[in-house]
Amino acid sequence: EPEVTQTPSHQVTQMGQEVILRCVPISNHLYFYWYRQILGQKVEFLVSFYNNEISEKSEIFDDQFSVERPDGSNFTLKIRSTKLEDSAMYFCASNGRVSADTQYFGPGTRLTVL
Amino acid sequence: QKEVEQNSGPLSVPEGAIASLNCTYSDRVSQSFFWYRQYSGKSPELIMSIYSNGDKEDGRFTAQLNKASQYVSLLIRDSQPSDSATYLCAVNLENTGFQKLVFGTGTRLLVSP
Repeated sequence: EPEVTQTPSHQVTQMGQEVILRCVPISNHLYFYWYRQILGQKVEFLVSFYNNEISEKSEIFDDQFSVERPDGSNFTLKIRSTKLEDSAMYFCASNGRVSADTQYFGPGTRLTVL
Repeated sequence: QKEVEQNSGPLSVPEGAIASLNCTYSDRVSQSFFWYRQYSGKSPELIMSIYSNGDKEDGRFTAQLNKASQYVSLLIRDSQPSDSATYLCAVNLENTGFQKLVFGTGTRLLVSP
């Protein structure tokens, strides 16, 4: 069964460093998303991406964040200058040709900012 | 602020019992509703989706939606210890035609053998 994959599973970085989190969505999906979950808190929407551009972003997704689909398979989230409060699980999700389709989540990347 | 509310629990039920999980949402334009299961340290895993008023059954799971009351629930029949997890209610805001899932904080379910 196709699934969303994410790398790395765990990333440790120093405050102020740039990190890139990678995702490979399900191959025939067209809509891509990033969510984050701070430990013990709810899953929060960050950004949605379709047709090589951002379709919506939350107030969390400020100028320090960017997304890119550099090739036909990868979807990345970059944080330019990490802060302690960026420590969280980051989940990539994708869904199919119809925007109302169910979103399928990847296993997540645990980001720890020291 | 568009909110999704869930009782955080824990909801404790004995093995074999019915577990009832509830969720309310604030945005009347919401069109689609999802229940995800999340084990500790893992990603959300889809259990059920529901789009229209009424009941939708899938195996041991039944989702119920009442848009007038802005209420969605999940029933788990014949609960098993492996059902012990946090259940996340998610509501899709489709104002722009694109999905934006808003999650509740989740209800922790404990099924005792």
